[in-house]
Amino acid sequence: AQSVTQLDSQVPVFEEAPVELRCNYSSSVSVYLFWYVQYPNQGLQLLLKYLSGSTLVKGINGFEAEFNKSQTSFHLRKPSVHISDTAEYFCAVSDSGSARQLTFGSGTQLTVLP
Amino acid sequence: NAGVTQTPKFQVLKTGQSMTLQCAQDMNHEYMSWYRQDPGMGLRLIHYSVGAGITDQGEVPNGYNVSRSTTEDFPLRLLSAAPSQTSVYFCASSYSLKAGNTIYFGEGSWLTVV
Repeated sequence: AQSVTQLDSQVPVFEEAPVELRCNYSSSVSVYLFWYVQYPNQGLQLLLKYLSGSTLVKGINGFEAEFNKSQTSFHLRKPSVHISDTAEYFCAVSDSGSARQLTFGSGTQLTVLP
Repeated sequence: NAGVTQTPKFQVLKTGQSMTLQCAQDMNHEYMSWYRQDPGMGLRLIHYSVGAGITDQGEVPNGYNVSRSTTEDFPLRLLSAAPSQTSVYFCASSYSLKAGNTIYFGEGSWLTVV
């Protein structure tokens, strides 16, 4: 079984500042890693995913994430945030072998302040 | 291009009542799942299906039933609603979780049990 820990439940940041949302996972097998975004009263949308290969993954809306196997982390970053990035962000992990369940972290609320 | 469609969007139930949340997808996806979202707990998997006629339990299956008679539909049944089942429910589908295929989410169903 795998688990995901998102270390910060709330992250306030000023517009145009950089941001990092932290995610750590635990698993005894190889994994796929994902970041999803949820805007108010909507479903989740995929931001980016790591399957294999380059550890730096670029996603939509200027976000990127880096897979660090030794630290079992998959932190999400954006160099300059906008008001429209205000949303809840979820890190998720899937076992690449059986691939039957996608396990989510508890979420990080990113609030971009003017 | 409907994607994943959930109905109803909002529902209020009395304790002990039963109801069915409907989910349909038009993408010919084999994998479908139901999650519940509660504050501070992220999304937790209730049940999932890897194809018609095949279902399995997720992390929090108690009090819920599912069936998968067609590829398109994956209804979630609450047998005897309890206040602890007040939550936002999301249906999701994917071609397959293997190879890290993207999961697509519906817009959610807000359920209140009084």
